[in-house]
Amino acid sequence: NAGVMQNPRHLVRRRGQEARLRCSPMKGHSHVYWYRQLPEEGLKFMVYLQKENIIDESGMPKERFSAEFPKEGPSILRIQQVVRGDSAAYFCASSPSYSNQPQHFGDGTRLSIL
Amino acid sequence: DQQVKQNSPSLSVQEGRISILNCDYTNSMFDYFLWYKKYPAEGPTFLISISSIKDKNEDGRFTVFLNKSAKHLSLHIVPSQPGDSAVYFCAASKDSGGGADGLTFGKGTHLIIQP
Repeated sequence: NAGVMQNPRHLVRRRGQEARLRCSPMKGHSHVYWYRQLPEEGLKFMVYLQKENIIDESGMPKERFSAEFPKEGPSILRIQQVVRGDSAAYFCASSPSYSNQPQHFGDGTRLSIL
Repeated sequence: DQQVKQNSPSLSVQEGRISILNCDYTNSMFDYFLWYKKYPAEGPTFLISISSIKDKNEDGRFTVFLNKSAKHLSLHIVPSQPGDSAVYFCAASKDSGGGADGLTFGKGTHLIIQP
């Protein structure tokens, strides 16, 4: 999984706090995707971004969740007023701008809500 | 509704034999399919993919077969090695590149290679 960098690897928050997860895509990749994995489940698509644009956020909860991919810097997934049900592994993937290329994943951020 | 299904939560195979992992899908709009391998506490690692215009793709020990009429694909690993023990995810995309659309994943199959 070298190339897609996620931090932090582990994040602990209390209910009601904010969580910020960061993702730096592989060099040369301009597309970023966020996925969530609950225990014993597959990965669920949340949002797809290109630089400064949200392309598809159909998998992201309408409230408390937001994502950005600014012109400079990493992509950020932000969860406001976290609840116990937000505890999960959050994975970021990136791909190049041209087609016929698979997505490559980071090692994820494990979010635990106390 | 589960659009990508992996009906075997686990599979045990003897070292050196063939491992066959299966995946079914329901959405006929899917036209690009991928297999990922995942170790605990790591992200999924891309293994192999196949476009809907093909019925087979091979890369070393890994071969993916696609049966569009049955909406079924399978991953063959031969010969199986101890390092192949991991969870394998099947994923599908509605974009032929797989890189410009969110992937839909199955729940995974835990492959255990026994010595």
